[in-house]
Amino acid sequence: KQEVTQIPAALSVPEGENLVLNCSFTDSAIYNLQWFRQDPGKGLTSLLLIQSSQREQTSGRLNASLDKSSGRSTLYIAASQPGDSATYLCAVKGVTGGGNKLTFGTGTQLKVEL
Amino acid sequence: DTGVSQDPRHKITKRGQNVTFRCDPISEHNRLYWYRQTLGQGPEFLTYFQNEAQLEKSRLLSDRFSAERPKGSFSTLEIQRTEQGDSAMYLCASSLRSGQGDEKLFFGSGTQLSVL
Repeated sequence: KQEVTQIPAALSVPEGENLVLNCSFTDSAIYNLQWFRQDPGKGLTSLLLIQSSQREQTSGRLNASLDKSSGRSTLYIAASQPGDSATYLCAVKGVTGGGNKLTFGTGTQLKVEL
Repeated sequence: DTGVSQDPRHKITKRGQNVTFRCDPISEHNRLYWYRQTLGQGPEFLTYFQNEAQLEKSRLLSDRFSAERPKGSFSTLEIQRTEQGDSAMYLCASSLRSGQGDEKLFFGSGTQLSVL
């Protein structure tokens, strides 16, 4: 059974810092890994999708990497801003079981302070 | 295109009552998913449709839960005889399925259910 772990569970940084969020998964047979952002009481917004054959994806100040063989992904946020405050979730789409669902981690709650 | 729409945003009900949620996916998206999220946890898969066919259901989906997607457009999720353990955020997502690797899910804002 696929398990996804995110470390740290919570993170507080001053504005302007660069930061890294970590995600690990137990079964490396995946189709892709996605990073989402969730604001309190809201749905999920897709940030980046990395296919299993890719190593990284970039969007603006965000960069996500994938090391499938070691079961790890990182989300790098450059020059953090208060508006980045949210919970960040990673999810993998596993091959086992038909490849039709995402398995999520429990998220990293990020607070960027002025 | 306004994205995935879910209704209602919030639902408070008494234990034992039936509730129904609606999801309108992005038009022309052929796949529709339901997930459930409890406080402090990541979303968990419940079920998905390809067009109007329900192709997979999680073991989390007890026989009190039923989902439909008539005509392959909007979907409804009904919970019968609600229990306090059903309290959660119910999230709907849709996608335009092409390949396995590049399928990107678009989520709605969710329906927050509270069972008293």
